Amino acid sequence: EPEVTQTPSHQVTQMGQEVILRCVPISNHLYFYWYRQILGQKVEFLVSFYNNEISEKSEIFDDQFSVERPDGSNFTLKIRSTKLEDSAMYFCASSEKLAGAYEQFFGPGTRLTVL
Amino acid sequence: DQQVKQNSPSLSVQEGRISILNCDYTNSMFDYFLWYKKYPAEGPTFLISISSIKDKNEDGRFTVFLNKSAKHLSLHIVPSQPGDSAVYFCAAMGNAGNMLTFGGGTRLMVKP
Repeated sequence: EPEVTQTPSHQVTQMGQEVILRCVPISNHLYFYWYRQILGQKVEFLVSFYNNEISEKSEIFDDQFSVERPDGSNFTLKIRSTKLEDSAMYFCASSEKLAGAYEQFFGPGTRLTVL
Repeated sequence: DQQVKQNSPSLSVQEGRISILNCDYTNSMFDYFLWYKKYPAEGPTFLISISSIKDKNEDGRFTVFLNKSAKHLSLHIVPSQPGDSAVYFCAAMGNAGNMLTFGGGTRLMVKP
């Protein structure tokens, strides 16, 4: 069964460093998302991406964050200058289409630890 | 932000019995609802969904009920199995976009 994959599973970085989290969405899906879950808190939406541009973003997704689909398979989240409060599980998700099939399928997550 | 709330942080059920997980929402613009199951160190796994034009959707042992007037939905698992033990999240989506708003989750423990 097709699935969303994410690398790395765990990333440790120093405060102020740049990190890139990688995702391979399900191959026939058109919509891509990033969510995060800080320990003990809810899963929070960060950004959605369709047709090579951001379609929606939350207040969390400020200028320190960016997303890219550098080729036909990868979808990345970059944090330019990490802060301690960026420590969280980051989940990538994808969905087939917006209308009629809203289900989003999630990857296993990347645990980001900022020291 | 409490647009989607799961008021029970945990639920314990005997194997074979029914599990009922509840979820309340406040935003009347939500028109699509989903339930996800999550094991530790894994991502959320999609279980079942329901559109606001329906009041019930069934898939095997899982049934989701939606009460729009009460802004309440519930997930029924019958019969419950030990492998169902996980954290269950409800999530909602509005008609203006495709972001999911999640509840805080309910940890279900099914005892053999």
